[in-house]
This record gives sequence, structure tokens and C-alpha cells, in this order.
Amino acid sequence: AAGVIQSPRHLIKEKRETATLKCYPIPRHDTVYWYQQGPGQDPQFLISFYEKMQSDKGSIPDRFSAQQFSDYHSELNMSSLELGDSALYFCASSLYASGAYNEQFFGPGTRLTVL
Amino acid sequence: KNQVEQSPQSLIILEGKNCTLQCNYTVSPFSNLRWYKQDTGRGPVSLTIMTFSENTKSNGRYTATLDADTKQSSLHITASQLSDSASYICVVSPTSGTYKYIFGTGTRLKVLA
Repeated sequence: AAGVIQSPRHLIKEKRETATLKCYPIPRHDTVYWYQQGPGQDPQFLISFYEKMQSDKGSIPDRFSAQQFSDYHSELNMSSLELGDSALYFCASSLYASGAYNEQFFGPGTRLTVL
Repeated sequence: KNQVEQSPQSLIILEGKNCTLQCNYTVSPFSNLRWYKQDTGRGPVSLTIMTFSENTKSNGRYTATLDADTKQSSLHITASQLSDSASYICVVSPTSGTYKYIFGTGTRLKVLA
């Protein structure tokens, strides 16, 4: 079965550069979530989109922005990168259905290293 | 204080042994509680999911329990295997619908031969 695809899998950037992470949800899933997981930490929710509209916002820095496109894929744009942005960035997707579990399926993650 | 706390932080057991991981949460009201397995550098994979009305759920050698009154959950792993070495994360959803997960602090399990 198709899973959540994230690209790139690894990314190395320098301070003050920009980065764009991409997430392709499971086919027919309409909701996308972004999480940031620092070394030895639990994933922190950043932002989510449902039907191309922002549905919830977590601890996403103002330097970051994200959007969901008409084909439901999502991109996380990160500007003015800082050393502390080095982390594993997960994308998850789910299918919104009233009364359902709304199970989130996670992608393999993008490991961002800021030098 | 984290809304979902897990214990122990790390655990080492011998192959074939059983173990139990704990999860205490303060999220209320909540829709459901999940246990995930996360291999190093990979995305979390769902093991079990329980609503507030369920007490136990099994998935092979994994059995999760839930006590909504005391806001505690446990994950019991039977006859551990080397491939069980991973982080186990308790995740609570505060409401139904499209909503973020609240992740626990995780327990890092190491199974030795």
C-alpha cells in the first residue's frame, strides 16, 4: 500500500539559508500534519491542513510557512535557518471522516541539518 | 509539565522477556489514545488505538490497556524480540476530528540477545 512520501530525506543547509520540505500524503487523504522532532525529543506539532486550508497551528516559528496544494501535497518552507532548526521533520496524513479515528500515518521524515 | 508522560525513559531487557511501559496523561477530555513504535530515524508506526471507553487492545505480542479514570495506559510486550528495540510513544488526541496529536516523552527500549 502507498505510504506518505517525504522529500528530500536528508538536507544540509547553512545558517540563514532557506529550505523547502515536501510531503505527499497517502492517496485520497485530505489532511496533512507537520511535526518537528529534535534530538532525543518527542515530536512537536507544527501545523496542519485540511482541504488546502490551515486547520490547526502549533509551535511553528514565524520564519516557517506551509501550504497544501490542490493535489493535497504540502510544502513546509523554512527561512533564515538557525542551528536549532536541525531536527527530523515528519509529515503525516489522514482522511477526515466524522466519527472515525482519523488515524495519522507518518512519513519517514526529512532530516534537516543546519551548519 | 508535559501533558503525556511516559516511564521508564529507557529500558533494557533480554530477548524473550516481557516488559510493560507506562503512560500517564492529563489531556482531558480526550478522544483516543495510541501507542506508536518508532525506529531510529524513521516515522512512528501505529501499534494500537483505544477510545476512552475501551480497556484493552491487542496487536500480536503488543497489548495496551487504558484506565480512563486514573488517566493511565500501559503497553505490554510479550516474548520480546531483537526487532522490538525502538522508542515507544504514547499519543493522546484531545478531540475527534482533524486535530493534532499530543506526543508522550517516549520510552526507549533495547532488547539484548
